[in-house]
Amino acid sequence: GDSVTQMEGPVTLSEEAFLTINCTYTATGYPSLFWYVQYPGEGLQLLLKATKADDKGSNKGFEATYRKETTSFHLEKGSVQVSDSAVYFCALRGDTGNQFYFGTGTSLTVIP
Amino acid sequence: DAMVIQNPRYQVTQFGKPVTLSCSQTLNHNVMYWYQQKSSQAPKLLFHYYDKDFNNEADTPDNFQSRRPNTSFCFLDIRSPGLGDAAMYLCATSKRLATSTDTQYFGPGTRLTVL
Repeated sequence: GDSVTQMEGPVTLSEEAFLTINCTYTATGYPSLFWYVQYPGEGLQLLLKATKADDKGSNKGFEATYRKETTSFHLEKGSVQVSDSAVYFCALRGDTGNQFYFGTGTSLTVIP
Repeated sequence: DAMVIQNPRYQVTQFGKPVTLSCSQTLNHNVMYWYQQKSSQAPKLLFHYYDKDFNNEADTPDNFQSRRPNTSFCFLDIRSPGLGDAAMYLCATSKRLATSTDTQYFGPGTRLTVL
């Protein structure tokens, strides 16, 4: 079945460091891929998405490219800020569309 | 702003005492979902409504029920909460079903504590 495998955390970075959070997926057909962010005590917020191969989603300095050849959707940011500290979830929505498959989440802490 | 609203944000109940969590949306989306998220885990889908059609996930306990009286509102009822039901409960919506490109929009969640 469809699934998402996400890099385990926690990740701790200094401010202005480069961020990569790895995400790979298993799916049949043509899924859409998403990154959600969850700040402490809050619900999930959509960060970015890509709906077909080679699409790049971007928002707030974060980027992820849908790579069908490597079944990956890695999240990157060139220079993280303290305010980026949160848990990041990679998610997949398959062709049937009924359910999102979430990764286990990666906790990011950015220190000044 | 169109959004998904959950009330209350924090709910405390006693072991075995029924509790209802509320979700409303101004997005006019057809589909509403309820997820359970335990500490440091991914959200787990409990069930969803497509309009008035209810779809239960196979492993959702019978203790969990849901109602959707109209397009805007959806309720999660926990008939006899146990200590293991303490979690964050997330409501989400999407415009359509079975369309992979559709985004799910999440509410802020209700954190349930069971004493």
